[in-house]
Amino acid sequence: DVKVTQSSRYLVKRTGEKVFLECVQDMDHENMFWYRQDPGLGLRLIYFSYDVKMKEKGDIPEGYSVSREKKERFSLILESASTNQTSMYLCASSVQGQPQHFGDGTRLSIL
Amino acid sequence: RKEVEQDPGPFNVPEGATVAFNCTYSNSASQSFFWYRQDCRKEPKLLMSVYSSGNEDGRFTAQLNRASQYISLLIRDSKLSDSATYLCVGLNQAGTALIFGKGTTLSVSS
Repeated sequence: DVKVTQSSRYLVKRTGEKVFLECVQDMDHENMFWYRQDPGLGLRLIYFSYDVKMKEKGDIPEGYSVSREKKERFSLILESASTNQTSMYLCASSVQGQPQHFGDGTRLSIL
Repeated sequence: RKEVEQDPGPFNVPEGATVAFNCTYSNSASQSFFWYRQDCRKEPKLLMSVYSSGNEDGRFTAQLNRASQYISLLIRDSKLSDSATYLCVGLNQAGTALIFGKGTTLSVSS
């Protein structure tokens, strides 16, 4: 079974802090994704990666960056957290063209 | 046209009812379609893939209509446990990533 692990289920940070969200998958998947999900807006793609050290902007990359130094790990970075980045963050991984498998999600609150 | 679009609902149905959701997509070249289920405050989980010929898994049937560019999900004999949000997934216009619809909420009552 595919396992996608996100480092935290709940996280509270302050405005202006640099925030790291970590995601690890154990199935050697090439593709990894970061989404945020907000009521009424659905899942929105922030960044994705098709390979190590490779990244592509999704629909809402502003205010975020990512890092993929190893195939199994995909990190989302909030350079300077703001209150409008309070959200549920979901990481996913997949093989090209195949369905994505999601982690449990991180509920991030920015105060 | 939005890349992947669904009626948000909610669909409120009694137990035992048959309910169908449609989802339209804009990228006619898309080859990969899926239906996911998401329970409240949980992550989305794959329900089923959608094949060109249509496919069935127990009470669930998925269909693809390429001419009209929509996929459908049919749930027969609804159970209380089917209450959830159902997300359809297709390829984005650039063909570079899968795109999720905003979801259709189903509420099954006794």
